[in-house]
Amino acid sequence: DVKVTQSSRYLVKRTGEKVFLECVQDMDHENMFWYRQDPGLGLRLIYFSYDVKMKEKGDIPEGYSVSREKKERFSLILESASTNQTSMYLCASRGGDRYTGELFFGEGSRLTVL
Amino acid sequence: AQKVTQAQTEISVVEKEDVTLDCVYETRDTTYYLFWYKQPPSGELVFLIRRNSFDEQNEISGRYSWNFQKSTSSFNFTITASQVVDSAVYFCALRPMDSSYKLIFGSGTRLLVRP
Repeated sequence: DVKVTQSSRYLVKRTGEKVFLECVQDMDHENMFWYRQDPGLGLRLIYFSYDVKMKEKGDIPEGYSVSREKKERFSLILESASTNQTSMYLCASRGGDRYTGELFFGEGSRLTVL
Repeated sequence: AQKVTQAQTEISVVEKEDVTLDCVYETRDTTYYLFWYKQPPSGELVFLIRRNSFDEQNEISGRYSWNFQKSTSSFNFTITASQVVDSAVYFCALRPMDSSYKLIFGSGTRLLVRP
């Protein structure tokens, strides 16, 4: 079974803390993505990575950074968490053709920033 | 502008009813791909279907069917004889050809199927 695993399902952090969200995929996919999901807004792309050590900003990168040191792992970093970053974070990976390839998602990490 | 609109925020039906989830998209591209994903309560989005802009044939997969109409820029999803397990949030998404990395999601429709 193909799998995208996110390290934490639920996190509670304080304003100003540094937060790491980890994502691992076992499908040898080159492309990985971080999305944020908020009610009424759907999913919005934060960052994506098309190869190891390669990354591109998505639609809402402000306040976030990413790291991809190994092909299977893509980390999202909140340098200084703020309350408006309280959200559900979804990691995805994609193989196959870059236009037709489907995304495989993890179960999400629900972050609350107090 | 590239955009996906799912106007139905939430739909509630009784088991065995048919239900249609609407999806309207905007793009200036002549070539693009449309997707539907299902997000059950567990949180993990699951791919349901992909359709390219040149293929307007309707698709049926068991109780699921999709109606793609380019003339109205719509890609609607119908569940026939709904079941409680169909309860989920459903997302329609657009992948324009100008960016293979971008998948533009609608805001989702939450479907509740009551027994």
